[in-house]
Amino acid sequence: EVQLLESGGALVQPGGSLRLSCAASGFTFSSYAMSWVRQVPGKGLEWVSTISGAGGSTYYVDSVKGQFTISRDNSKNMLYLQMNSLRAEDTAVYYCAKDTLPAAPSHWDSWGQGTLVTVSA
Amino acid sequence: DIQMTQSPSTLSASVGDRVSITCRASQSVFSYVNWYQQKPGKAPNLLIYAASSLQSGVPSRFSGSGFGTDFTLTISSLQPEDFATYYCQQSYFIPGTFGQGTTLESK
Repeated sequence: EVQLLESGGALVQPGGSLRLSCAASGFTFSSYAMSWVRQVPGKGLEWVSTISGAGGSTYYVDSVKGQFTISRDNSKNMLYLQMNSLRAEDTAVYYCAKDTLPAAPSHWDSWGQGTLVTVSA
Repeated sequence: DIQMTQSPSTLSASVGDRVSITCRASQSVFSYVNWYQQKPGKAPNLLIYAASSLQSGVPSRFSGSGFGTDFTLTISSLQPEDFATYYCQQSYFIPGTFGQGTTLESK
């Protein structure tokens, strides 16, 4: 059974940094791209970033380019999202999600439970 | 970015009803449309991928159709557990974009 468990969400001040983590199990982690998708409470879904299975390719939504960095450690089955210069509009639940392809963003057949990031003074 | 527009935004229906939700893309995304169900406080759940392929474990009352710019999610006979919010998503272009969601509520 695929399991994805996010951690690291917190209340952070504007301009601050945070690193989200996602522990994966139940599948061959390095064989699949992994993504972060966020959702402002009460609003819709927004894809944020994807990293290929081998980690060599990364993709970002324009609004976080240069601000967020996605990475993975295939030896530990871990996915990360380093978030810097946080703004109020980054407040959201962040989901870790498993892609169905190895190399590029596609669709997501398994999701974590989400971790809440709140950016506020 | 590709805009995905769902209609209606809210749909009131009863158990046993056949319901359909539509999704229109701002340009052709071929068959690269996926549908998710989300219940309050929970993560989204993949229902349909590639416009019409049923995800493993999803009940057969769910079906999808469409190609190009117009897509439909149909629930053949609504069950109590189907009241939720549904999102379409295109995965042909990067960034993959979602519709705004359709909330299916009990009449």
